[in-house]
Amino acid sequence: QKEVEQNSGPLSVPEGAIASLNCTYSDRVSQSFFWYRQYSGKSPELIMSIYSNGDKEDGRFTAQLNKASQYVSLLIRDSQPSDSATYLCAVGFGGGADGLTFGKGTHLIIQP
Amino acid sequence: SQTIHQWPATLVQPVGSPLSLECTVEGTSNPNLYWYRQAAGRGLQLLFYSVGIGQISSEVPQNLSASRPQDRQFILSSKKLLLSDSGFYLCAWITDPRGELFFGEGSRLTVL
Repeated sequence: QKEVEQNSGPLSVPEGAIASLNCTYSDRVSQSFFWYRQYSGKSPELIMSIYSNGDKEDGRFTAQLNKASQYVSLLIRDSQPSDSATYLCAVGFGGGADGLTFGKGTHLIIQP
Repeated sequence: SQTIHQWPATLVQPVGSPLSLECTVEGTSNPNLYWYRQAAGRGLQLLFYSVGIGQISSEVPQNLSASRPQDRQFILSSKKLLLSDSGFYLCAWITDPRGELFFGEGSRLTVL
């Protein structure tokens, strides 16, 4: 069974610091990895996608993938109060037709 | 650019009543479409997906059904709602070949 695990939090980080969010997945044939941000009462918004081992940077966000350890992480630099949200890790298992499997999300709080 | 619309945004229904949620995608043809549900305290659960008109795959046996009468229209239905059907219902489409999933605004259903 495909599983994606995240610490539910809340994770509290001071403003301006680095927030580190982690995710592990169970299926070794996973091919695509995503981070979504979800504000309370809103639908999830895609913020990062990563497909190969290593780091991918986009502005203040860096996604890290280690397929050998089945581990994905998201770093948010210079955290802002507007980054306070639930962050969902999602994994695709190839082909795309059967959608993505999501973790339950980590609730991030940026303290001013 | 592609957009996805869902309606209604919010609804409150009594137990045993019918349900119809609609989703329409614009700016793309023959998209893979998905219905997810997010219940309180739970992660995103894939309910149905469709790769074309009239083609529906169900991920979870339940009180719900889906239909795809047109290429860019996806409908979620129930004949008799249960209390456990309450949740945030999200329609989504997926890009090919990157497999990025994009959500509509969501429909929040409360069954009383």
